[in-house]
Amino acid sequence: KNQVEQSPQSLIILEGKNCTLQCNYTVSPFSNLRWYKQDTGRGPVSLTIMTFSENTKSNGRYTATLDADTKQSSLHITASQLSDSASYICVVSDRGSTLGRLYFGRGTQLTVWP
Amino acid sequence: EADIYQTPRYLVIGTGKKITLECSQTMGHDKMYWYQQDPGMELHLIHYSYGVNSTEKGDLSSESTVSRIRTEHFPLTLESARPSHTSQYLCASSDGGAGSPYEQYFGPGTRLTVT
Repeated sequence: KNQVEQSPQSLIILEGKNCTLQCNYTVSPFSNLRWYKQDTGRGPVSLTIMTFSENTKSNGRYTATLDADTKQSSLHITASQLSDSASYICVVSDRGSTLGRLYFGRGTQLTVWP
Repeated sequence: EADIYQTPRYLVIGTGKKITLECSQTMGHDKMYWYQQDPGMELHLIHYSYGVNSTEKGDLSSESTVSRIRTEHFPLTLESARPSHTSQYLCASSDGGAGSPYEQYFGPGTRLTVT
């Protein structure tokens, strides 16, 4: 069964600190992995998309890594800001269908305190 | 900022009422999707469309129906709302397909509460 597991479920950090969120997946055949940021009451917004051949990608203070061999990904947030408080969702796409199915994790709820 | 819109943003309605959730995008995308999301849970695909006059059911069984008469418009209808339909409904669109890391853009969502 294709699955995406994220940890931790929730995380509280102080403003200015760094943090790393984890994602493990069993989706096969693998196409790409995305990290989304979802603010409360809003739709998800894409942060990064990585294909099989990419093992790191950055978007400002967000850096995602991918190890396709171990089927693990991480999202590192540097110098956190209050606006980083949100749910971060790991999404894996397969290439076994025309649609390119997306498998969603449950997200890590990040809270940044001043 | 993605050009995909959903209305209403919030809806509280009584059991048995018929409702339509609107979704529109101005990006000319062929593919559109409806997801259902409960608090703290993952998004579940309930409907998708490859283009005009194309609609398919997703992974999560849903009593809702959809239509795609125009490229930019993908409304979702519940003929008779029940408390079990209480959830957040997210609409999305994309212009890519399998094998390509296409971007999927999400609307702001509709928070539906059925009393």
